[in-house]
Amino acid sequence: KAGVTQTPRYLIKTRGQQVTLSCSPISGHRSVSWYQQTPGQGLQFLFEYFSETQRNKGNFPGRFSGRQFSNSRSEMNVSTLELGDSALYLCASSLDGFYGYTFGSGTRLTVV
Amino acid sequence: AQTVTQSQPEMSVQEAETVTLSCTYDTSENNYYLFWYKQPPSRQMILVIRQEAYKQQNATENRFSVNFQKAAKSFSLKISDSQLGDTAMYFCAFMSLTGANSKLTFGKGITLSVRP
Repeated sequence: KAGVTQTPRYLIKTRGQQVTLSCSPISGHRSVSWYQQTPGQGLQFLFEYFSETQRNKGNFPGRFSGRQFSNSRSEMNVSTLELGDSALYLCASSLDGFYGYTFGSGTRLTVV
Repeated sequence: AQTVTQSQPEMSVQEAETVTLSCTYDTSENNYYLFWYKQPPSRQMILVIRQEAYKQQNATENRFSVNFQKAAKSFSLKISDSQLGDTAMYFCAFMSLTGANSKLTFGKGITLSVRP
């Protein structure tokens, strides 16, 4: 079966712009989580959505937001981009959010 | 809050040898899962093995096994018969089963190199 698909793979944006990243989970998975990976901070939890509702949120500013659609696909939005937002953004899906997550290959965001 | 510590930033092992990656964690909870994930250069995080805290038996998956010491809050990964394809970053992760807290807390990771 198809895995977790993230688009785009690479993105270059300018400071102050906004960006939207997309994640298509494994079919049947209702939980989608987002993580930010940087060399300095490692992997940090952004938020989790389950059946279109945000169930958990990490310690990120309000510029980071997300949503989940009825087909479980999720989008993550970052507004007013800063240089420090440059990172690999990973999406992960799970049946219920506990059994174990399957990750996508990520979107590499570079802010210049 | 939970923390996960991987104190070894890098390790190297000869092909076909055995290597053990260390991980410690800190939590006041009793019900949780522990995971090891592998991240090769392709960037995709791949689940290697999972351990439920309520199970005393150590999890195994083919060449991968864990040594789970709940009292010591230690969760090490043993890779037997190392293969070149095992070269990757390995992350230890914790997930609480309390309430709806379904987030993963990761360690900083360890870079494993398998030498031919």
